[in-house]
Amino acid sequence: EVQLLESGGGLVLPGGSLRLSCAASRFTFSNYAMTWVRQAPGKGLEWVSTITDSGGSTYYADSVKGRFTISRDNSKNTLYLQMNSLRAEDTAVYYCAKGTGTLRSLPFDYWGQGTLVTVSS
Amino acid sequence: QSALTQEASVSGTVGQKVTLSCTGDSNNIGSYAVGWYQQISHGAPKTVMFGNSLPSGIPDRFSASKSGTTASLTISGLQPEDEADYYCSTWDYSLSAQVFGGGTKLTVL
Repeated sequence: EVQLLESGGGLVLPGGSLRLSCAASRFTFSNYAMTWVRQAPGKGLEWVSTITDSGGSTYYADSVKGRFTISRDNSKNTLYLQMNSLRAEDTAVYYCAKGTGTLRSLPFDYWGQGTLVTVSS
Repeated sequence: QSALTQEASVSGTVGQKVTLSCTGDSNNIGSYAVGWYQQISHGAPKTVMFGNSLPSGIPDRFSASKSGTTASLTISGLQPEDEADYYCSTWDYSLSAQVFGGGTKLTVL
């Protein structure tokens, strides 16, 4: 079965940076769009960013635009999220999710287990 | 304020059929496939439907439909293990963003 394994979360100071990774396996990674979704404590799911199969197009929520960068390495079957200028409101569990096709508009079929990012002094 | 509107809570008894709704507009639900995601006790989300497709391993008591700008998730024969938060989501053309509903807390009485 498809596996998505996030890593890279942790405690970071406001204004700091962190890079999340999502290692994918058991599917042809380069054939699917990938997405990051986050969930703040006690809140609902919030979309963060999506990247198309080739990496040629990226999309961001307004709340992270200009601070976060999504990327992928199809040779390593890995999705990334570079997070800069972190704020307290970025504190959340971050999930990677696999799209059901190449397009950024398709729903997700698999999710990772999540990695916790805590932004606090 | 979520772009998609879901009931805050729904309840049903074991064996009952329940329907959760997700209302949007022509820029989102009216134009794109909808995903439904189950989250139990704030664990990792699990996909229970994407479009009209049932992921492998998801029981066929789950089904989805869409009419205009409203999507629905129906659970026929509710089971105790179905108690969870359910989120709908789709792409929004005007926002160029993935949008989520606020989630529905399903309680099995």
